[in-house]
Amino acid sequence: SQTIHQWPATLVQPVGSPLSLECTVEGTSNPNLYWYRQAAGRGLQLLFYSVGIGQISSEVPQNLSASRPQDRQFILSSKKLLLSDSGFYLCAWSVLGTTNEKLFFGSGTQLSVL
Amino acid sequence: GQQLNQSPQSMFIQEGEDVSMNCTSSSIFNTWLWYKQDPGEGPVLLIALYKAGELTSNGRLTAQFGITRKDSFLNISASIPSDVGIYFCAGGNAGGTSYGKLTFGQGTILTVHP
Repeated sequence: SQTIHQWPATLVQPVGSPLSLECTVEGTSNPNLYWYRQAAGRGLQLLFYSVGIGQISSEVPQNLSASRPQDRQFILSSKKLLLSDSGFYLCAWSVLGTTNEKLFFGSGTQLSVL
Repeated sequence: GQQLNQSPQSMFIQEGEDVSMNCTSSSIFNTWLWYKQDPGEGPVLLIALYKAGELTSNGRLTAQFGITRKDSFLNISASIPSDVGIYFCAGGNAGGTSYGKLTFGQGTILTVHP
C-alpha cells in the first residue's frame, strides 16, 4: 500500500532563516506531488505541483520554492523566511494520468516563523 | 478562478443527530472529493465522486455529485463524538492538463456534544 511521509511535524524558525521541508511517497511510482499551505485551520491553498523529476509548477508567487530531486521526493524550501510564511504545510500525492484521481495528504508540518 | 462556497461554516449538534453540509461552485467540476481533518493532522479522504448524479456511501457517510456538476453534499447519519473535525469539499477536473489540481472549500467545523 502507498504511504506518504512528511517531516518535521513542527518547526519554529526565526525570520530570515532558511527552510527545508521534505516529503517522500512509498508504494507507488511516478506520482503527482503537491505542496499545500493551510492558514488557521481553514482553506487549503495549492503552492506547487510536480508531474515528474525536476518538473515544478508554481501556483502563486511567493517566498518559497520547491524541488523534486527523485521520483518520490518533494522538497519545499526558502532561503529567507518571512513572518507571513507561518502556517500548516501539507504534502500530497496522486496517481499521474488517471481520470478517477484521488489526492492523499501527509500529516503536515506546522511552521511558526518568529 | 474557480471558487467553492461550503456551508455551513460550523455546526454544533447532539450525538445521534444527522448532519448535512454542501458545496457549490461557480463552474463545473468532473470530480468531487470530501475530506475530514483532525486538529494538527492532514486531511483524510472520505468519499470520491466522479460522475454527475453519483451517490456514494462510506459507512454512515453519504455524498452526492450534483447533476449540474456545480455542487455536492455530504450527509453523516447518527453522529458520534469521533465525527468531530473539519470537513472539506474539493472540486477538480482530473485528466488533461489539470493534473488533479483541486479547489477546496473553506471547511465545515463539526462539533458533536455527547
